[in-house]
Amino acid sequence: SQQGEEDPQALSIQEGENATMNCSYKTSINNLQWYRQNSGRGLVHLILIRSNEREKHSGRLRVTLDTSKKSSSLLITASRAADTASYFCATVGNQFYFGTGTSLTVIP
Amino acid sequence: DVKVTQSSRYLVKRTGEKVFLECVQDMDHENMFWYRQDPGLGLRLIYFSYDVKMKEKGDIPEGYSVSREKKERFSLILESASTNQTSMYLCASSLRDRGLMTDTQYFGPGTRLTVL
Repeated sequence: SQQGEEDPQALSIQEGENATMNCSYKTSINNLQWYRQNSGRGLVHLILIRSNEREKHSGRLRVTLDTSKKSSSLLITASRAADTASYFCATVGNQFYFGTGTSLTVIP
Repeated sequence: DVKVTQSSRYLVKRTGEKVFLECVQDMDHENMFWYRQDPGLGLRLIYFSYDVKMKEKGDIPEGYSVSREKKERFSLILESASTNQTSMYLCASSLRDRGLMTDTQYFGPGTRLTVL
């Protein structure tokens, strides 16, 4: 499959803890993007990291990219109950390929 | 803010009916996409369009067609709905980035279609 694959499939943490999700892929990419989806809604773009970047921050989000290992990670620090959602990586070459997502539950 | 709207949030149709799903974006984006989302399978691309009247098949185009008569509107058509087309359908749009489709995608809220 050309899709990114997220790991773990599901993650449950306490409010205030950090959440880490991983994405692995197989083909070369132009960039990699992370999206969030609240239950029953559309996806919302969180952050984009280009293939020549190694790390990027946005608020409580930190994304890393290792093109030699074809992997990326999304770290959400100091999680909140409102962070409960599914998170998808999208590997972007000539086309977009979305992974199957990580379901994050943050327990208040 | 980019706004992508879809004509219905929930839709129930019968097997064999012709179904139209409409998507409108207000940011003058060149690219538009239709995906379906099923549990355990993630998002799968059905069709995309990079310009008015232009369309390209995605990974799962069988049983679907599309229409893009105006830049802001991209329609997905199920010619003869079947039960295996019960799914969440998501529309998205993006700018054409240096001739490629690598830019951020903006999604509509989704249409949950049930075919009985």
